[in-house]
Order: sequence, then C-alpha cells, then structure tokens
Amino acid sequence: QKEVEQDPGPLSVPEGAIVSLNCTYSNSAFQYFMWYRQYSRKGPELLMYTYSSGNKEDGRFTAQVDKSSKYISLFIRDSQPSDSATYLCAINILTGGGNKLTFGTGTQLKVEL
Amino acid sequence: DTEVTQTPKHLVMGMTNKKSLKCEQHMGHRAMYWYKQKAKKPPELMFVYSYEKLSINESVPSRFSPECPNSSLLNLHLHALQPEDSALYLCASSQDLSSPIQYFGAGTRLSVL
Repeated sequence: QKEVEQDPGPLSVPEGAIVSLNCTYSNSAFQYFMWYRQYSRKGPELLMYTYSSGNKEDGRFTAQVDKSSKYISLFIRDSQPSDSATYLCAINILTGGGNKLTFGTGTQLKVEL
Repeated sequence: DTEVTQTPKHLVMGMTNKKSLKCEQHMGHRAMYWYKQKAKKPPELMFVYSYEKLSINESVPSRFSPECPNSSLLNLHLHALQPEDSALYLCASSQDLSSPIQYFGAGTRLSVL
C-alpha cells in the first residue's frame, strides 16, 4: 500500500463547478497536510497547508483534513479555466534527517468554458 | 516573497558531458532540497541540505553531485548521465529542517541524449 493515495483523474468540470480533490494516507505519524498546484512544465506552487483536523478556507479554496479516517480533501468553489492544472497532495513527516514530503500522484484537473 | 530561482530552465546534454544546475533563494531559508520529477509522476526527493551540510541523500547515484556553497545557493553537478535521467529537476527551500512548508522553484527540464 502506498503511503499516500490520490485519484489521478483526469477530472473535467464546467466553469463555475465545485471541485473535490481527495487523498488518503496510511501513516498516522504524518503531521502536516499540504496542497500544491502544478501547471504544465512548471514547479509545484503551495496552495494551502494545515496540521489539524477540520476545515481551512482561503478564498475559493477549502482544505479539509479528517485524521480519524486518514483522509484529506481540497475543494475549489466557482472553478475557473485558470484552475486547470495538476493538484498534488503532500504530507510531511519529521525524520531524523529533517522533514520529508510524501506526495500523492497528482490529480489532473481541466475546467472547461 | 517566496521565490526560488532555478537556472537554466532547459538543458540538453550528452552522456559524456558535465553540467550544473543552479538554485537560489533569498528568503533566509536554511534548508534546501533537490527533487526529480518524471512526466505524470510526483516529485521524488534526492537530497536535503541544512545549514550548508548534507542531511539526507536518498541513495542517489554518484553521477549526481550536490553542493551548497552558501545558505542561498544550491548546485547539482551532473556527470555521465543516462537517458533515463531526463526529467524535471526541482529545487525547494524551507525555513529550516523542522519546517514542513517547502517552496519550489520552476525547475530545470533536463534532456540527456
């Protein structure tokens, strides 16, 4: 079993739709939960991070963490064509050598006009 | 400003060439990272530096040689690479090793012929 599982998509939605992106993880020692957005041929851009169960909102984006179920989600409201990108969940664990991020495989999202 | 700058943006090299990738950040971060990302895959950690010292080497072949000459600069020296090393090489930085939040550069797209 992979440490972080993410539905690869692709996911295609009409403009204005609510998008739900999800990841599950297996290691209870994971401490921080992050979402990165990656446009084609670019580096990952940090969207949001959280460390506690519950919701965290930032504009059109809401990150949700359920530690009891080991489930994290990113919701995008009023999706725009500019949201078309690959979304990577990333979960960190603190090791003796430092923080290590474990990424999901990424979900490719396309928002169509 | 959360900018991590990588140069060059693109690099084509032969298997006998020696080249270097460069990464720079001016956020005062003391931890820096190299990742490798193949197409449609998540980033994979290669090296971690903390206060200019190598903290993590994820069993990377010796044809990849990292160097951290100062706290703002991270290099990756390449020698005798194989075609399968073609990938997007990403640099990231964080406040320090205990900080889980990493900021990524745009990457260097490397092609090995």
